Amino acid sequence: DIQLTQSPSFLSASVGDRVTITCRASQGISSYLAWYQQKPGKAPKLLIYAASTLQSGVPSRFSGSGSGTEFTLTISSLQPEDFATYYCQQLNSYPMAFGQGTRLEIK
Amino acid sequence: EVQLVESGGGLVQPGGSLRLSCAASGFTVSSNYMSWVRQAPGKGLEWVSVIYSGGSTYYADSVKGRFTISRHNSKNTLYLQMNSLRAEDTAVYYCARAPRTGTGAFDYWGQGTLVTVSS
Repeated sequence: DIQLTQSPSFLSASVGDRVTITCRASQGISSYLAWYQQKPGKAPKLLIYAASTLQSGVPSRFSGSGSGTEFTLTISSLQPEDFATYYCQQLNSYPMAFGQGTRLEIK
Repeated sequence: EVQLVESGGGLVQPGGSLRLSCAASGFTVSSNYMSWVRQAPGKGLEWVSVIYSGGSTYYADSVKGRFTISRHNSKNTLYLQMNSLRAEDTAVYYCARAPRTGTGAFDYWGQGTLVTVSS
């Protein structure tokens, strides 16, 4: 089974900051990776699919990159509504593992 | 408008059974890949099961042999039959859609239904 490791697990940042979250896969998954945002008490929301394609309606300050085993999610200028937990998910094979999550909080 | 509405959660004793439903609107369940994903209290996301448009199914090792995913095409509804429930199955269960022509990412999610396994 493929495991995903996100880093950091916790991130404290300020409005306007640029932040990057990393997701590493235990084996190559080409570009079969998605990123989700989840706010407390809510369902996850798809941000990025195919490692770097922005889902319709998602602000352009979100971007994704990477292939193989290393991927990043970047938020170019944090907005108040971006403080949430972020998960990566591999879509290469079953079971479709998620990373453990990165909690992004206001500094 | 695409909408997914889960129901059927609740409190059940260890060893018991429960069937979750996910009523879909705005698209056809049988034409997409439909999954269940769960989240234990205060924990991360765990993929549980998928049913393909062609009917093939896959399960996480943690639920294989105990859970069954299915759909009712005329009701446009997805189900998860959960048997031999354990305390570690306690979670919010979400249904999610992955477009058949996409990469497998879940573009729509339901609001979730809470399953609590406890005596």
